[in-house]
Amino acid sequence: GIQVEQSPPDLILQEGANSTLRCNFSDSVNNLQWFHQNPWGQLINLFYIPSGTKQNGRLSATTVATERYSLLYISSSQTTDSGVYFCAVGAGGTSYGKLTFGQGTILTVHP
Amino acid sequence: SAVISQKPSRDICQRGTSLTIQCQVDSQVTMMFWYRQQPGQSLTLIATANQGSEATYESGFVIDKFPISRPNLTFSTLTVSNMSPEDSSIYLCSVEDSFYGYTFGSGTRLTVV
Repeated sequence: GIQVEQSPPDLILQEGANSTLRCNFSDSVNNLQWFHQNPWGQLINLFYIPSGTKQNGRLSATTVATERYSLLYISSSQTTDSGVYFCAVGAGGTSYGKLTFGQGTILTVHP
Repeated sequence: SAVISQKPSRDICQRGTSLTIQCQVDSQVTMMFWYRQQPGQSLTLIATANQGSEATYESGFVIDKFPISRPNLTFSTLTVSNMSPEDSSIYLCSVEDSFYGYTFGSGTRLTVV
């Protein structure tokens, strides 16, 4: 099956700093999403981005499908950005509906 | 995007008992998906639930341990049976959304003592 690798595994920032999270995947995908899991365990859908670039406020994401990676940018980080960020991919076909998750990046933003 | 109501949000259960988790979606969906997140780990798909047919389980998960019901196009339940402490996890349901990819319920945090 598809392998998904996220880096870095942990990231500590001061409030106001910028950061880039990376997601590499091992095969062609028809779905790629970035999620934020808050301390209560709730999984928030940040971006549905199988290719191209999207922006939503201080967050933006870019997926280069031909090179099998995606980047999540967080600008002017806030303490509420803390949590775990997951990249998840889907391949379609017999794997339709199955999202394969990376191991996540644990982000801690200090005031 | 689709809105999923999942309950209970958390529970503490005795080993050997069973817990049923419910997910209600605000729109009709063909498939619903159940995931498990063990402590400190990522999410793993347990099974896919289609209305009117038996659920399809991923490798390592069996129907006797995780029976699933899908009585209609907006509702599904997952039961965690004969629980042991190793079943302590967050369980989440998910549905596909045309524009937003996959959306998840708020999760059920299960502790087995």
